[in-house]
Amino acid sequence: EAQVTQNPRYLITVTGKKLTVTCSQNMNHEYMSWYRQDPGLGLRQIYYSMNVEVTDKGDVPEGYKVSRKEKRNFPLILESPSPNQTSLYFCASSAGTGFGVYEQYFGPGTRLTVT
Amino acid sequence: AQKITQTQPGMFVQEKEAVTLDCTYDTSDPSYGLFWYKQPSSGEMIFLIYQGSYDQQNATEGRYSLNFQKARKSANLVISASQLGDSAMYFCAMRDPSGGYQKVTFGIGTKLQVIP
Repeated sequence: EAQVTQNPRYLITVTGKKLTVTCSQNMNHEYMSWYRQDPGLGLRQIYYSMNVEVTDKGDVPEGYKVSRKEKRNFPLILESPSPNQTSLYFCASSAGTGFGVYEQYFGPGTRLTVT
Repeated sequence: AQKITQTQPGMFVQEKEAVTLDCTYDTSDPSYGLFWYKQPSSGEMIFLIYQGSYDQQNATEGRYSLNFQKARKSANLVISASQLGDSAMYFCAMRDPSGGYQKVTFGIGTKLQVIP
């Protein structure tokens, strides 16, 4: 089954404790991206990657890191989480980008709470 | 400046009726793509429909259609014959050349509730 998986689905942590949210897709997609969803703000793009070792900042990259060492994986790293990073996080992938119907396939989401 | 504007925080529609969810966008590029996604209460994001800026006809997918008015920069989603399962958040999104087509901008969403 074609899918994007994220782990963990739920995480409660404390300020400053490094964490990683994993994301993996089995569709051989070139493009992967991370978003955070907050009430009243919709989805905001954190980072995206067009290929292995190619990543770039989205609209809200502060406090986050990513890496793309393999095509299928795109982990999101919070080196020193803070309460304002409490949010619902989505990983997404698509076959490509450019001008065309490259719709994104989303993971199930990770609800992160930082206390 | 906000690239995608969804001005209806919440909408109600009677079952079996049609409903229009508004989306306006802002870009100076002639080549762009517009997307609609659905997020049910279970949380997953589901792609519904796509409209390219050069498409001559409004996009349709089953009960979903896009009322694309390029001059007005609007791409409203029309859901015909609403069903209870259509109750969800709906997000409009755009991909344009300003981010090499790699950046995607979402609106804040519209919560649709279908009344039996």
